Amino acid sequence: QVQLQESGPGLVKPSETLSLTCTVSGFSISYDYFWGWIRQPPGKGLEWITIINHNGDTFYNPSLRSRVTISVDTSKKQFSLKLSPVTAADTAVYYCARMVRGANKKFDYWGQGTLVTVSS
Amino acid sequence: QSVLTQPPSASGTPGQGVTISCSGSSSNIGINTVNWYQQLPGTAPKLLIFGDNQRPSGVPDRFSGSKSGTSASLAISGLQSEDEADYYCAAWDDSLNGWVFGGGTKLTVL
Repeated sequence: QVQLQESGPGLVKPSETLSLTCTVSGFSISYDYFWGWIRQPPGKGLEWITIINHNGDTFYNPSLRSRVTISVDTSKKQFSLKLSPVTAADTAVYYCARMVRGANKKFDYWGQGTLVTVSS
Repeated sequence: QSVLTQPPSASGTPGQGVTISCSGSSSNIGINTVNWYQQLPGTAPKLLIFGDNQRPSGVPDRFSGSKSGTSASLAISGLQSEDEADYYCAAWDDSLNGWVFGGGTKLTVL
């Protein structure tokens, strides 16, 4: 079945770059889906960050657009997130997810999430 | 401040029914379908309802979704203790060209 797994440093210093990778298994990342990142600050709600498809088409949350980059590596079955520069407000659990496109768009499969803390 | 508005909390007793609302606008709920996610404590969100009122395989029919205009609702009947979770609505926003989420509703089963 479809599985997604986030990986990356759990601690990032302020003003530096947060880098996370999501590895997809059980499904081809080259199919006609989007792949995305959503985050959740401790005790708060969900915030969508960005999505990408295998062709490199991207959409970004306007409030984060200037600091975010998403990329995809189909050969490694991975897509990645970079956020820079970070502040304490970027401390959150970061989830990667598969997005079904079309009339009934939805994030149907999610990774377990990884906590990233921004602190010196 | 979330683009979609949900009540922060809801509650009910076992066996009862409860409804959670989600209010949006003409650029999101008004023209795109609504999804609902259930997030149990310490876990990732799980797709509960998609396409306004469709249930993924495995989701009990106690959960149902509806939409009217720029508002949507999630109804849970026959409440069970394991339904205690946070519930989020979400929709694509054509003005922002991206996803918007509600702030989440914490459901307590008394």
